[in-house]
Amino acid sequence: AQKITQTQPGMFVQEKEAVTLDCTYDTSDPSYGLFWYKQPSSGEMIFLIYQGSYDQQNATEGRYSLNFQKARKSANLVISASQLGDSAMYFCAMREDTGTASKLTFGTGTRLQVTL
Amino acid sequence: NAGVTQTPKFQVLKTGQSMTLQCAQDMNHNSMYWYRQDPGMGLRLIYYSASEGTTDKGEVPNGYNVSRLNKREFSLRLESAAPSQTSVYFCASSGTGDNEQFFGPGTRLTVL
Repeated sequence: AQKITQTQPGMFVQEKEAVTLDCTYDTSDPSYGLFWYKQPSSGEMIFLIYQGSYDQQNATEGRYSLNFQKARKSANLVISASQLGDSAMYFCAMREDTGTASKLTFGTGTRLQVTL
Repeated sequence: NAGVTQTPKFQVLKTGQSMTLQCAQDMNHNSMYWYRQDPGMGLRLIYYSASEGTTDKGEVPNGYNVSRLNKREFSLRLESAAPSQTSVYFCASSGTGDNEQFFGPGTRLTVL
């Protein structure tokens, strides 16, 4: 069974600083995908970034990058130049491919607070 | 293009009552999903539908039924609600080969 672990319940970062949110995963499938979603206080789930297990390079999307270390089974999210609007819950998730459907397993999340 | 829509946004039920949560997507996606999110936890998959006419159980299916009415719509039914089903319910959809699931805004359900 797939498992996602986020060990940081809460994190603080000062505005304009970089922050790393940790995520480790466990799977026996050779093919999988890793995701990060942001959930602001309004409650919606916002897709941030995706990394495929066979991707050679770390994924980047604007200020977000995914530090993918396959041997360590980690997929940490790095947010550069933090902004007040980055304050939210962040969830790491892993995709299990079941033919045409892609089931996601989520971690318990990290609450990020950006301070002045 | 509304994406994924869910109704209702909020609902309060008494123990034993039934209700159906509605979900629709206008992105022509084949796959649709229902998740629940409890306080302090991530989302957990209840049921999913890989394509029109098929449904399968996820991690926490007990107490729920689903119907994939057509390609656009995927409903979740609670036949006899229990306080343990108090949660926020999210519907999501994805297309074949997509590297993203698109989520609806969620339904906050309270069972008294």
